[in-house]
Amino acid sequence: EAQVTQNPRYLITVTGKKLTVTCSQNMNHEYMSWYRQDPGLGLRQIYYSMNVEVTDKGDVPEGYKVSRKEKRNFPLILESPSPNQTSLYFCASTTRDGYNEQFFGPGTRLTVL
Amino acid sequence: AQKITQTQPGMFVQEKEAVTLDCTYDTSDPSYGLFWYKQPSSGEMIFLIYQGSYDQQNATEGRYSLNFQKARKSANLVISASQLGDSAMYFCAMSPNGGATNKLIFGTGTLLAVQP
Repeated sequence: EAQVTQNPRYLITVTGKKLTVTCSQNMNHEYMSWYRQDPGLGLRQIYYSMNVEVTDKGDVPEGYKVSRKEKRNFPLILESPSPNQTSLYFCASTTRDGYNEQFFGPGTRLTVL
Repeated sequence: AQKITQTQPGMFVQEKEAVTLDCTYDTSDPSYGLFWYKQPSSGEMIFLIYQGSYDQQNATEGRYSLNFQKARKSANLVISASQLGDSAMYFCAMSPNGGATNKLIFGTGTLLAVQP
């Protein structure tokens, strides 16, 4: 089954404790992205990757890091989480043609205390 | 500035009736894509329909159709024969710059409630 998986699905952590949210897709997609969803703001792109070892900032990259060492994986790293990073996070992937639908993961609900 | 505007924070519709969710967009790119996604209360993002800026005909997918008016920069979603399962948040999104950066710009969403 074609899918994007994220782990964990839910996470409660404390300020400053480094965490990683994993994302993996099995569709051999070149493009992957991370979004955060906040009430009243819709989804905003954090980082994106156009292929292995190629990443770039989206609209809200502050406080986040990413890496793309393998085509299927695109982890999101919060080196020192803060309460304003409490949000719902989505990983998405799509083929090289950006007009195709983006496949979204199930989401990770993060709470930083 | 590239932007998606959804002016209806929430809407009600009676079961079996049609409903239109509004979306306007702003871009100076000649090539772009427009998407609608559904987000039920369970949280996942479900792709509904896509319209390319050069497509001559309005997109349709089952009970969903996209009313694309390029001159007015609008891309309204029409759901025919609403069902209780259509109750969800609906997001309009745009892929600017010909999709070159794999970026989707989202609106703030419209919460649709279908009443029996």
